[in-house]
Amino acid sequence: DIQMTQSPSSLSASVGDRITVTCRASQIINNYLNWYQQKPGKAPKLLIYAASILQSGVPSRFRGSGSGTDFTLTISSLQPEDFATYYCQQSYGTPRGTFGGGTKVEIK
Amino acid sequence: EVQLVQSGAEVKKPGESLKISCKGSGYSFTSYWIVWVRQMPGKGLEWMGIIYPGDSATRYSPSFQGQVTISVDKSISTAYLQWSSLKASDTAMYYCAREGQWLVRGFHFYGMDVWGQGTAVTVSS
Repeated sequence: DIQMTQSPSSLSASVGDRITVTCRASQIINNYLNWYQQKPGKAPKLLIYAASILQSGVPSRFRGSGSGTDFTLTISSLQPEDFATYYCQQSYGTPRGTFGGGTKVEIK
Repeated sequence: EVQLVQSGAEVKKPGESLKISCKGSGYSFTSYWIVWVRQMPGKGLEWMGIIYPGDSATRYSPSFQGQVTISVDKSISTAYLQWSSLKASDTAMYYCAREGQWLVRGFHFYGMDVWGQGTAVTVSS
């Protein structure tokens, strides 16, 4: 099975900060990597698929990059509505679907 | 509007059976895989398994194989997740999601683009 490791598990930041979350796969997954945002009490929301393609309606301050085993999610200027937990997920293996452990972005 | 609507919260006792549902609307239900995802209290997301309503093809995560059964009734655009004998450790929020697909530079990519609202399952004696 493909394992996904996210870091950090949590971070504190201020509105306007640039933040980066990393995700590492246990084997090469090319760019079969998705990012999700989850707010408390809500279902997750797809932000990015294919490692770098923004889902429709997602603000351009979100950026995904990487290929192979190492990936990053960057938020260029953190907004109040961005405080949430972020998950990466691989869509390469069979069965596809393993999630990373999550990164909680909190207000400093 | 494309949406998935899940059945309501459940409170069960250990050993009881349960079947929760996920009804799709606003799109061709038989053309997209449906995924089930578990989230235990205060924990992360876990991919449980997937079903293709078009032909009922099903895949399970090794962690959930034999523990749950995923099924579908395409005549009513509804997918199901069921347990034959619940345990306290099955207490969690369960989400269904549509697996969207995109063609990018000749390759197919997949991601969960539409989610149900979640079904809370509590198992307690």
